[in-house]
Amino acid sequence: EVQLLESGGGLVQPGGSLKLSCAASGFTFSNNAMTWVRQTPGKGLEWVSAITGSGDNTFYADSVKGRFIISRDNAKNTLFLQMKSLRAEDTALYYCTKGRGELSGSCHDWGQGTLVTVSS
Amino acid sequence: EIVLTQSPGTLSLSPGERATLSCRASQSVPGNYLAWYQQKPGQAPRLLIYSAASRATGIPDRFSGSGSGTDFTLTISRLEPEDFAVYYCQQYGSSPRVFGQGTKVEIK
Repeated sequence: EVQLLESGGGLVQPGGSLKLSCAASGFTFSNNAMTWVRQTPGKGLEWVSAITGSGDNTFYADSVKGRFIISRDNAKNTLFLQMKSLRAEDTALYYCTKGRGELSGSCHDWGQGTLVTVSS
Repeated sequence: EIVLTQSPGTLSLSPGERATLSCRASQSVPGNYLAWYQQKPGQAPRLLIYSAASRATGIPDRFSGSGSGTDFTLTISRLEPEDFAVYYCQQYGSSPRVFGQGTKVEIK
């Protein structure tokens, strides 16, 4: 059974940094692309960033480009999202999702999310 | 950047009725890499359809996806009580891999 467990969310001041983690299990982590998706409470889904299975290629939404870095440790089956220069509009529930295959951009499995609140 | 527009914003139907949800892209979606997700209150989204027409694992056959290029449709043949939820489309053929704004299917 695929399991994705996000952690690292919390309250941070504007301009601050936070690093999210996603511990994956139940599948061959290195064979699958991974994606971060966020959702502001009561609003829609926003695609944030994705990384191929090997980690060689990364992709970002314009809203986070230059501030967020996606990475993965295939030896530890863990996905990361380093977030810097955080803004109030980054406040959201951040989901870790799994693709189907090395390059897949669809989100076949989802974690339960970790909440990030940017506020002074 | 591809923009996805879903319609209608809200669909009011009764159990047993057919639901037809639309997702229109501002330009052709490469490879027809279009997915549909269902989200219920307090839950993470669930993948229903990928590659425009392929059902995800465990998804009932009352859910079907169709379309190509810029026009895509999710059809629920006969609504069950558990199908009342919000539905999102997403294109993943090019970056950024955006979502539509969602369609809420509510009980009439």
